[in-house]
Amino acid sequence: GESVGLHLPTLSVQEGDNSIINCAYSNSASDYFIWYKQESGKGPQFIIDIRSNMDKRQGQRVTVLLNKTVKHLSLQIAATQPGDSAVYFCAEARGNNDMRFGAGTRLTVKP
Amino acid sequence: GAGVSQSPSNKVTEKGKDVELRCDPISGHTALYWYRQSLGQGLEFLIYFQGNSAPDKSGLPSDRFSAERTGGSVSTLTIQRTQQEDSAVYLCASRQGADGEQFFGPGTRLTVL
Repeated sequence: GESVGLHLPTLSVQEGDNSIINCAYSNSASDYFIWYKQESGKGPQFIIDIRSNMDKRQGQRVTVLLNKTVKHLSLQIAATQPGDSAVYFCAEARGNNDMRFGAGTRLTVKP
Repeated sequence: GAGVSQSPSNKVTEKGKDVELRCDPISGHTALYWYRQSLGQGLEFLIYFQGNSAPDKSGLPSDRFSAERTGGSVSTLTIQRTQQEDSAVYLCASRQGADGEQFFGPGTRLTVL
């Protein structure tokens, strides 16, 4: 079946550095991609999304890049802060109801 | 409402028992999702309700799992004859329309002994 970011890597960065979290997806029919942040003991929280007709979208301190050629999605966090420490999930959606999540990446920010 | 709420926050049950998990979505949100998250894993889609349309049950892992959404608002996920592999965090999310951001609840942590 399809897979989205099945690996659960960890990323450790120094406070103030930029973070890049990567995600691979496998279904070229996916047309909507989302990044979620999940802090310990809480539900996922929406960060930013991007549609397949875009390559880049920026938010506050975050940027999502979509490379449809290699089916790759990345989340860039500028000036990473301790409060950014969490597990980050990418998700792909095909239609309105078929959202698939990856296993996540644990980001740890060192002071 | 303040956000999506779920109850109970924790549930410990014995193998073979039935459990009901409740989700109160954000008022006015027509779309409601249930997901399951096993330890250290991503979110597994279970079921999706959108307005008065027939729910998408394609993610339910077995016929022991069922869900209802009464009056287009509150939803209940029922797991019959629970098994140890059902132990996970069950997350509910709602969305205002057929597109856009999903808002997640805090989840129910289910432990089957």
